[in-house]
Amino acid sequence: SQQGEEDPQALSIQEGENATMNCSYKTSINNLQWYRQNSGRGLVHLILIRSNEREKHSGRLRVTLDTSKKSSSLLITASRAADTASYFCATDKKSNNDMRFGAGTRLTVKP
Amino acid sequence: DVKVTQSSRYLVKRTGEKVFLECVQDMDHENMFWYRQDPGLGLRLIYFSYDVKMKEKGDIPEGYSVSREKKERFSLILESASTNQTSMYLCASSLIGQSPLHFGNGTRLTVT
Repeated sequence: SQQGEEDPQALSIQEGENATMNCSYKTSINNLQWYRQNSGRGLVHLILIRSNEREKHSGRLRVTLDTSKKSSSLLITASRAADTASYFCATDKKSNNDMRFGAGTRLTVKP
Repeated sequence: DVKVTQSSRYLVKRTGEKVFLECVQDMDHENMFWYRQDPGLGLRLIYFSYDVKMKEKGDIPEGYSVSREKKERFSLILESASTNQTSMYLCASSLIGQSPLHFGNGTRLTVT
């Protein structure tokens, strides 16, 4: 069963704008991870946030986690055309270590 | 840098054939995973393994089996390929539970 669900399914913005993607999940987790996938390739890990953290930054990425609402958001600031990709959140169930992914958000950044 | 290598980038097989998808990682990772990715469905976990000769079913194990005889290699087996197994198959590994996954570039399998 899918553990995470991303929203929106697709997002189209202009270069320089910020992009926000959301993820909701169903059960308690140890951590939540965000991944990026370029078309036809494997996924690349972006950032991991633990269940006891509320916010984390990495370069132009900002991730928040609200465990009371079982949701997370990924913010990409000052987007570039090269950020065009699909973005996925992944969670592990607290009782398990296997990672479950959502269906992803397809981000298009127009130059 | 971790490298996860999937043996084939594209594969075309006939219905009923036995199909082997191979995955090798070079960083002594404990965990290995097989996912399939379909449009609109995201990644779905087929099987995973925490150790040599150990395997656990994921969400959609039906029609698949796996083999992990050596730590670095995790094979996905389609016992009798069917058209509904046409998909992108992604292998991943991680050092220990809860650590980031490293993915291969995927095998696009077409069953005709």
